Amino acid sequence: GQQLNQSPQSMFIQEGEDVSMNCTSSSIFNTWLWYKQDPGEGPVLLIALYKAGELTSNGRLTAQFGITRKDSFLNISASIPSDVGIYFCAGQLYAGGTSYGKLTFGQGTILTVHP
Amino acid sequence: SAVISQKPSRDICQRGTSLTIQCQVDSQVTMMFWYRQQPGQSLTLIATANQGSEATYESGFVIDKFPISRPNLTFSTLTVSNMSPEDSSIYLCSGGTGGLHTFGSGTRLTVV
Repeated sequence: GQQLNQSPQSMFIQEGEDVSMNCTSSSIFNTWLWYKQDPGEGPVLLIALYKAGELTSNGRLTAQFGITRKDSFLNISASIPSDVGIYFCAGQLYAGGTSYGKLTFGQGTILTVHP
Repeated sequence: SAVISQKPSRDICQRGTSLTIQCQVDSQVTMMFWYRQQPGQSLTLIATANQGSEATYESGFVIDKFPISRPNLTFSTLTVSNMSPEDSSIYLCSGGTGGLHTFGSGTRLTVV
């Protein structure tokens, strides 16, 4: 089956620093999604990407859908303590209307931000 | 986006027993999913809950162990049957329409 490789596995940074994490896949996806999970909660969607090459921002977060459709990255600028959590990438083969596919998740990146 | 309520939020169960987890969505969604997640690990899809028909299970998961119901477009249940300590995990449901999935807060299950 499809596999997503997410890196790095963990990051320890100082408040104010920028963060970058990425995912690569052995096969293509139609949609790339980035989620954040806080302890005791389910993942919350941060950014959704639908087109190869698409660059999308959500506040301090920026994500890109790779040209090959097999990779994506997420950047967080000027990190703050509340950015702490686990970040997951997810790929989806279908999107739109009532026809959409299941998600394949990366292994996650654990982010720690020191004040 | 849909809001998903999941219960119980946690439970401690004796081995050999079964636990049913409920997932309620505040609006109709096309499809619902059930995942398992070990603390600090990624999410593994158990099955897709199909409304009015049998769930579609992923490799390594079977209906006898994880029976799923989905009677309508806003509700689903997952039962973890004949539990063993290896079933201790976090179980999450998600729902979505148009490709965007919202997750419940999860059920933390400990089997003793």
